[in-house]
Amino acid sequence: GQQVMQIPQYQHVQEGEDFTTYCNSSTTLSNIQWYKQRPGGHPVFLIQLVKSGEVKKQKRLTFQFGEAKKNSSLHITATQTTDVGTYFCGGRSGNTPLVFGKGTRLSVIA
Amino acid sequence: SQTIHQWPATLVQPVGSPLSLECTVEGTSNPNLYWYRQAAGRGLQLLFYSVGIGQISSEVPQNLSASRPQDRQFILSSKKLLLSDSGFYLCAWSVLDFNSPLHFGNGTRLTVT
Repeated sequence: GQQVMQIPQYQHVQEGEDFTTYCNSSTTLSNIQWYKQRPGGHPVFLIQLVKSGEVKKQKRLTFQFGEAKKNSSLHITATQTTDVGTYFCGGRSGNTPLVFGKGTRLSVIA
Repeated sequence: SQTIHQWPATLVQPVGSPLSLECTVEGTSNPNLYWYRQAAGRGLQLLFYSVGIGQISSEVPQNLSASRPQDRQFILSSKKLLLSDSGFYLCAWSVLDFNSPLHFGNGTRLTVT
């Protein structure tokens, strides 16, 4: 079945450093969604990417969808303590629910 | 606006006891409904989803079951809990389209002792 792999599992950065998490699928995806889960909270939708090679930005966050629609990345520029949390990618192939990666837990050291 | 309610927030149950977690959605009709479990180091695992009343799809074989007795109500149950059932259970809804974003409830932290 469809699998979504996400790396790294953990990332510790100094405040102000950049951060990137990568998402890879075993199959071509119709779309990919990114979510953020703050410690003790529930996942919150950030963005959806649909088109091959698509790039979207939300302030310091940049999301990319690969040309082959099998991988995606989330890059945060100049991290802040408010960026702490676990970032999940979820992908779909066909008319099925999202399959999530295991997430990347980001810690930011002030 | 749409809201999702999930309860209880925390639950401690002994092994072998039954389980019932309830989730309701307000402000929308005919939503897709989902139950996810989050165990340490395992990300978000889809357990069940439903596209309509009485329609349940199971993604992972286990001793859990789900039911959707009303359009905006989703229930997760077990007849006998196992230690391995401990985890953070999240209910979510989306509009009737798998392409749409998921909206998660606050979750139930279940500890089986």
